Formats: sequence, structure tokens, C-alpha cells
Amino acid sequence: TQLLEQSPQFLSIQEGENLTVYCNSSSVFSSLQWYRQEPGEGPVLLVTVVTGGEVKKLKRLTFQFGDARKDSSLHITAAQPGDTGLYLCAGPRGGGSYIPTFGRGTSLIVHP
Amino acid sequence: NAGVTQTPKFQVLKTGQSMTLQCAQDMNHNSMYWYRQDPGMGLRLIYYSASEGTTDKGEVPNGYNVSRLNKREFSLRLESAAPSQTSVYFCASSDLAGGEQYFGPGTRLTVT
Repeated sequence: TQLLEQSPQFLSIQEGENLTVYCNSSSVFSSLQWYRQEPGEGPVLLVTVVTGGEVKKLKRLTFQFGDARKDSSLHITAAQPGDTGLYLCAGPRGGGSYIPTFGRGTSLIVHP
Repeated sequence: NAGVTQTPKFQVLKTGQSMTLQCAQDMNHNSMYWYRQDPGMGLRLIYYSASEGTTDKGEVPNGYNVSRLNKREFSLRLESAAPSQTSVYFCASSDLAGGEQYFGPGTRLTVT
């Protein structure tokens, strides 16, 4: 059973479109991180959300942490080909454990 | 400042051979991790080291051993490689256990 479920699994869009990807769990997380991984490279941290209801913006990317801290979303405005990559959410398992767990990711392709 | 480095970048092994994957970080981080990434499976934690001198099993530890050599270095050993261990291996580090992680570029391992 995957602790963090990401959707959609794949997304193929045209440059300029908006999109939202989701990261959901039945468990409460003390924090969630979003990473982007480009082909052939390791994941790179984008943002950490900590407080329920928190919204963070990184240029055209908007990250939100659910009020109950069980879900998070990433919204990209006016997607560009440079946004292409695998978007991963991750967080510590909790329950006294700090073992990190990752979702399986959303693979995004933005066509010029 | 190199961040997290991994060697080798690519490796081909025959079934039954052994090898050690090396990882080093120069960020003075306390925690280090080894993951494997397979298509459709996301990142799965093999072993982690919350602090120097400690190591613990992750989700998929069978067939692997680790050594936290010092605060900087964390190695992963395959004693008798199997085709099921064909994967991309990532090392990561974080200042706090379960916190924001910084990844290396990965080792692409093929076992024939």
C-alpha cells in the first residue's frame, strides 16, 4: 500500500496551459516536500510545506498543504517546456518515525 | 561545493558478482539515505543512517548492506548481485532525519 498517492500518473500538455497535480494520503504528515526530477538526474527539492492550509509560491508554481495535513497540491500556471519532469511528493512517515516516504510521482511533459 | 557525489555513474555486473556504491556529502548533514528507483515504482528506501554510527533498514533492504564510514560517507554493498537489483540507485542526505533531502546524480546498475 502506497502511503502517498499521486495523481495523475502522467500528464502531457501544450505550452501555456495550466495544470494541477495531487498528493494524497489517509495519514497525517508533519510536513510534505515536493521534488522535481529531470531525466537522468536526481530529484531536486522545490519546496517544503509544514502548516495545514499553507500556500507557497515559487514563480509560476503554487503549492498548497491541506488543512488536515493529509494532502497537497502543486499548480503550475502557463506551463513551459522547462517544467517537464517527474514531480514527487515526500514526507516523514510519522508515528514517531522519521523514515521518509515518496509517492510514485507525476510525469509531466510540456510540448512547445 | 559539490553537494552529494556518487560513484560510479554506470556499472554492469554479472549475476553473483559483488560491488560497493560510494556516496559522499560535503554539507555536514547528519542523515544519509540509499534509494532505488524502478519504472512505475517511485523511490524506495533501501537503508538509511539517521546519524553517524547508526544504520537502519528501509522498505527494501534484502540483498544489500551499508556502512556509514564517517559523517560524510555512506556506502551501499551488493554482496551477490541478482538481475532483480538492476535499477538506478540514489544517495541522499539531510540535515535532520526525514527532512529536506539533497540527492546525488545516481548510479545506473545493470545485472545480467
